[in-house]
Amino acid sequence: DTGVSQNPRHKITKRGQNVTFRCDPISEHNRLYWYRQTLGQGPEFLTYFQNEAQLEKSRLLSDRFSAERPKGSFSTLEIQRTEQGDSAMYLCASSPTGGLGQFFGPGTRLTVL
Amino acid sequence: AQSVTQLDSQVPVFEEAPVELRCNYSSSVSVYLFWYVQYPNQGLQLLLKYLSGSTLVKGINGFEAEFNKSQTSFHLRKPSVHISDTAEYFCAVLTGNQFYFGTGTSLTVIP
Repeated sequence: DTGVSQNPRHKITKRGQNVTFRCDPISEHNRLYWYRQTLGQGPEFLTYFQNEAQLEKSRLLSDRFSAERPKGSFSTLEIQRTEQGDSAMYLCASSPTGGLGQFFGPGTRLTVL
Repeated sequence: AQSVTQLDSQVPVFEEAPVELRCNYSSSVSVYLFWYVQYPNQGLQLLLKYLSGSTLVKGINGFEAEFNKSQTSFHLRKPSVHISDTAEYFCAVLTGNQFYFGTGTSLTVIP
């Protein structure tokens, strides 16, 4: 297993467009997390899944943000009607249930023009 | 809500010198503590973690950190840094199933 993967690595889009990012966690990791990281800041927690159940989503930045993990394996993060302020690095991490310490993917860098 | 403070945004240090990166958090109630390192254009990598037991924890690449409950601190140390240690370092706290990260400290090792 090569770790957590994220696609695409870079995404440039125009304001108002929808974008979707994919995260493939480490095999058999039950937990999957999404973060946003802006320049000069640490990762900001957005949401997490235990298998296919989304257990915390109150910290998603707005109703334009949504995440899914339909089969408990890969996950997608969608941003609708993108705004320039959405430009950031979006990080995904996974961990086994009860495992304390996450494994991070390389991130998807979003640029909204 | 939990907050994590990394007071030093940038730390320059000469090669083979010791270094300490500071981290303080706001609440000591049922927290787990972590340090992550992020190399340029890469994802975050776990350096070490404190879950329970000995307050001095050792991690990869010769780093160690000490949990101080009374001071709500978890400072990261290395006795002798190498050029390859140049990176961004993040302190993180896990509480209530949520991770809270500090703003990061940029460590630059000078030859």
